[in-house]
Amino acid sequence: DQQVKQNSPSLSVQEGRISILNCDYTNSMFDYFLWYKKYPAEGPTFLISISSIKDKNEDGRFTVFLNKSAKHLSLHIVPSQPGDSAVYFCAASPTGNQFYFGTGTSLTVIP
Amino acid sequence: DTGVSQNPRHKITKRGQNVTFRCDPISEHNRLYWYRQTLGQGPEFLTYFQNEAQLEKSRLLSDRFSAERPKGSFSTLEIQRTEQGDSAMYLCASSRPGTGGDGYTFGSGTRLTVV
Repeated sequence: DQQVKQNSPSLSVQEGRISILNCDYTNSMFDYFLWYKKYPAEGPTFLISISSIKDKNEDGRFTVFLNKSAKHLSLHIVPSQPGDSAVYFCAASPTGNQFYFGTGTSLTVIP
Repeated sequence: DTGVSQNPRHKITKRGQNVTFRCDPISEHNRLYWYRQTLGQGPEFLTYFQNEAQLEKSRLLSDRFSAERPKGSFSTLEIQRTEQGDSAMYLCASSRPGTGGDGYTFGSGTRLTVV
């Protein structure tokens, strides 16, 4: 039972353009949402978070949007850079301890 | 700060054998988590410790799996009577209390292959 879904396995974007990665969840008890980035042969690294009391959080080139009524969050990267090429996972939790991860979206930024 | 260290990086074992993995967290982190990631999937939560106490266990953690953190520092994850379905990347993460997932630091994982 996949509680967090990333329906796009891959995404290609031109350098300098915007990358939009999407994530949907089913559990209305989720209050903490994160995006992680993963390079091959490394563990995931934290990118940005948002809690359910907000609808937007921004950190440099990265912005996460949360739509609780639609149970949807998205990550915007602008401008996209070749070093952003990686697999991006969204994750959600009701408590901030046990996180449920999506299946990931592989982003390729084309120079 | 050397990050979260996991050993071994790779393990190949025959079906039916027991295996044990080790995780050394960041020294000031008192929370430690184990996740499992299979091909094409995201990490799945297995269990977490606060100091030496195991506070949550997933139903994924069958009777063949056991995790310990005896002195509240390093942790071990043992799989008994391995099955081919146990083949996966086993990830460890640690964090300070109250930081949640944005405070997780993941290790590079132990890749298990059961043949």
